[in-house]
Amino acid sequence: GAGVSQSPSNKVTEKGKDVELRCDPISGHTALYWYRQSLGQGLEFLIYFQGNSAPDKSGLPSDRFSAERTGGSVSTLTIQRTQQEDSAVYLCASSLDRTGVYEQYFGPGTRLTVT
Amino acid sequence: AQTVTQSQPEMSVQEAETVTLSCTYDTSESNYYLFWYKQPPSRQMILVIRQEAYKQQNATENRFSVNFQKAAKSFSLKISDSQLGDTAMYFCAFRSNAGNMLTFGGGTRLMVKP
Repeated sequence: GAGVSQSPSNKVTEKGKDVELRCDPISGHTALYWYRQSLGQGLEFLIYFQGNSAPDKSGLPSDRFSAERTGGSVSTLTIQRTQQEDSAVYLCASSLDRTGVYEQYFGPGTRLTVT
Repeated sequence: AQTVTQSQPEMSVQEAETVTLSCTYDTSESNYYLFWYKQPPSRQMILVIRQEAYKQQNATENRFSVNFQKAAKSFSLKISDSQLGDTAMYFCAFRSNAGNMLTFGGGTRLMVKP
């Protein structure tokens, strides 16, 4: 089957605009994760979904960041009033379940550039 | 909070030779999982190998093997018979048994030279 897909692949936006990043996990995977990869901060966890609920939002850097997941499948990460420090690659991953040694499968990421 | 440290920002190796990438971590937990991920220029993170902390035997996947030293909190990756396609960023990652997120090290950029 298909792997994790993300869209868009690249996004350039002006400072102050809102952006939406989309993640399509592997079918049947109940757990979904968002990470951010930036030059200064490396790879950081943002948020975790189990089904449609987000029991762990501890990594969201500010209230400008939000995410939702509908139907236990597609997830959208929204960044409001983007800032230049939001420029990074946003990676989505999914796994069969959060427990045990289940592998997290990653998507190709969305490269966000805020000008 | 757990931390993961990769002390080698860049490494290079000749094709067909062996290279070892280092990783240390800090945790107070006794049960957890460790992973090595590869990220080629395509950005796609690919799992290379995994290790459960309760298993004493070191994990092996074809040319890739780990040296897991639990007491020393060390988890190094050995790549044997290096191939040009092994050129990538390599990330060591930790996951708590009770948690869900991965905590990553800063990465090691590996260049395999012909």
